[in-house]
Amino acid sequence: DIQMTQSPSSVSASVGDRVTITCRASQGISNWLAWYQQKPGKAPKLLIYTASSLQSGVPSRFSGSGSGTDFTLTISSLQPEDFASYYCLHYHSFPLTFGGGTKVEIK
Amino acid sequence: EVQLLESGGGLVQPGGSLRLSCAASGFTFSSYALSWVRQAPGKGLEWVSSISPSGVGIYYTDSVKGRFTISRDNSKNTLYLLMSSLRAEDTAFYYCANAYCINITCWSPGHWGQGTLVTVSS
Repeated sequence: DIQMTQSPSSVSASVGDRVTITCRASQGISNWLAWYQQKPGKAPKLLIYTASSLQSGVPSRFSGSGSGTDFTLTISSLQPEDFASYYCLHYHSFPLTFGGGTKVEIK
Repeated sequence: EVQLLESGGGLVQPGGSLRLSCAASGFTFSSYALSWVRQAPGKGLEWVSSISPSGVGIYYTDSVKGRFTISRDNSKNTLYLLMSSLRAEDTAFYYCANAYCINITCWSPGHWGQGTLVTVSS
């Protein structure tokens, strides 16, 4: 099974900051990686698929990069509505596996 | 507008059974893979099971194999999860989701339902 290691588990940041979250796969997954945002009490929302493709309707301040084993989600200029938890998910093969999550908190 | 509405959650005793349903609308149901993902209160996301558009391809996480059964009725636009031999560690919000696209490789969830809570406790 492929394990996804996500870091950091939490980050404190201010509005306007650049935030970077990383996920590392235990083996190569090509670009079969997605990123999700989840706000408290709500269902997750797809942000990025195939590592770098922006889902329709998602602001362009979100971007994804990486291939193989190392991946990054970047928020270029943090906005108040971006304070949430973020998860990566690999879908290279079954079982699908989520990263442990990153909580982005207000500094 | 894509809508996914889960139902069937509730309180069940250890060893009991429960069937979750997910009614879908706003997309061509029979063209998309579907998944169940769960989240224990205050914890992270865990993929549970996925089913191909035709229902032939079915996959489970190890911890539910032999206990959970995923199925779909393309004539009713409904996804199901039959859960049996339930354990305390199955307590979680259960979300249904469709794949983000219709290609064979699009297993990653796109749109999600609002979730239904399953509590396993005596």
